[in-house]
Amino acid sequence: ILNVEQSPQSLHVQEGDSTNFTCSFPSSNFYALHWYRWETAKSPEALFVMTLNGDEKKKGRISATLNTKEGYSYLYIKGSQPEDSATYLCASSYTGGFKTIFGAGTRLFVKA
Amino acid sequence: DAGITQSPRHKVTETGTPVTLRCHQTENHRYMYWYRQDPGHGLRLIHYSYGVKDTDKGEVSDGYSVSRSKTEDFLLTLESATSSQTSVYFCAISDFMNTEAFFGQGTRLTVV
Repeated sequence: ILNVEQSPQSLHVQEGDSTNFTCSFPSSNFYALHWYRWETAKSPEALFVMTLNGDEKKKGRISATLNTKEGYSYLYIKGSQPEDSATYLCASSYTGGFKTIFGAGTRLFVKA
Repeated sequence: DAGITQSPRHKVTETGTPVTLRCHQTENHRYMYWYRQDPGHGLRLIHYSYGVKDTDKGEVSDGYSVSRSKTEDFLLTLESATSSQTSVYFCAISDFMNTEAFFGQGTRLTVV
């Protein structure tokens, strides 16, 4: 059974703090790693898709790294702002048919 | 925003009744998915479609059926709703298998 783990489950930070979360996934038959941002009462929005070991992606103050050999990805937020408050989902995709597994998410609260 | 519309957005139904949820897209994406989201779980795949009349089961397909008679529409049916099917249901679309997905706004279903 494929299982994607995200930690921590939730995180409270102050405005201006930098923070990071972890996504761990099975590395066998790995195809791609996705990060989504999910605000309350809205639908998940894609942040990054990464496929290669060592990939790094950046969008503004948010960046992500990927290690496919050991099966983990980090998401970093630099200088957190209240509008960054959301649930951050990761999902791992595998070869051999459709198999994308979502983690349970990390809920980020940024206090002004 | 990707053109994905889910209907209805909210529904309350009684145990044992049939329920159909609709997902409509205007993006002409090949792949369409139905997920459910429950507290403590990530998004879990119910069924997906890789073309008109081409569908396959996901990890939590028991009690659900789907149909796709047109590229733009993907229907999810609960033949006889049970309380365990109370959840938030999300439709998603993608251009290719295992690439980033675009999500609808969700349907909150309550089975009483």
